[in-house]
Amino acid sequence: DSGVTQTPKHLITATGQRVTLRCSPRSGDLSVYWYQQSLDQGLQFLIHYYNGEERAKGNILERFSAQQFPDLHSELNLSSLELGDSALYFCASSVEIGIGYTFGSGTRLTVV
Amino acid sequence: ELKVEQNPLFLSMQEGKNYTIYCNYSTTSDRLYWYRQDPGKSLESLFVLLSNGAVKQEGRLMASLDTKARLSTLHITAAVHDLSATYFCAVDINNNNDMRFGAGTRLTVKP
Repeated sequence: DSGVTQTPKHLITATGQRVTLRCSPRSGDLSVYWYQQSLDQGLQFLIHYYNGEERAKGNILERFSAQQFPDLHSELNLSSLELGDSALYFCASSVEIGIGYTFGSGTRLTVV
Repeated sequence: ELKVEQNPLFLSMQEGKNYTIYCNYSTTSDRLYWYRQDPGKSLESLFVLLSNGAVKQEGRLMASLDTKARLSTLHITAAVHDLSATYFCAVDINNNNDMRFGAGTRLTVKP
């Protein structure tokens, strides 16, 4: 157990629907990062939050949004889902610069 | 545009052999990380390289960083089957913990 908790582990939903992925960082980590991993795009950075504030945005679609709450957990909201959104979504957390990330186990999203 | 390029992308090795995976990147950065991912699993941190010339070793794996050449290497010595996995390098852009990952090298070690 890495200490970064992601729920749910698996999610199957239909096109056009909306889902919410949840991430609880390791105790004491203020930063949360979201990544999408797909076969054709590799590991793509989506967004970074630090202590509730958005710090950096990557290749995140307008249909996707995220937030980090006062208790530091984060949610990634995916709406108007398309088949191409099927992927593994990872959350990672870190406490400071220079020690890397700790990744959660991921949420496997399948859009049918 | 930032590029993080790994090669090879696929590597099939015999047990006992040595090989090197390369990670080239196009931005200025003093921090580079290596991760391992087993199929269907999460990413596990292997090495943290924080300065030019940094070298880290763990078991049969050794990683190095040349920031002037913008190159990191992951050297595998006397490969064993348990090393079969996908290996990613990640560059800390702007030195603020925002990482960009390479495409990964899928390593298969055959008996």
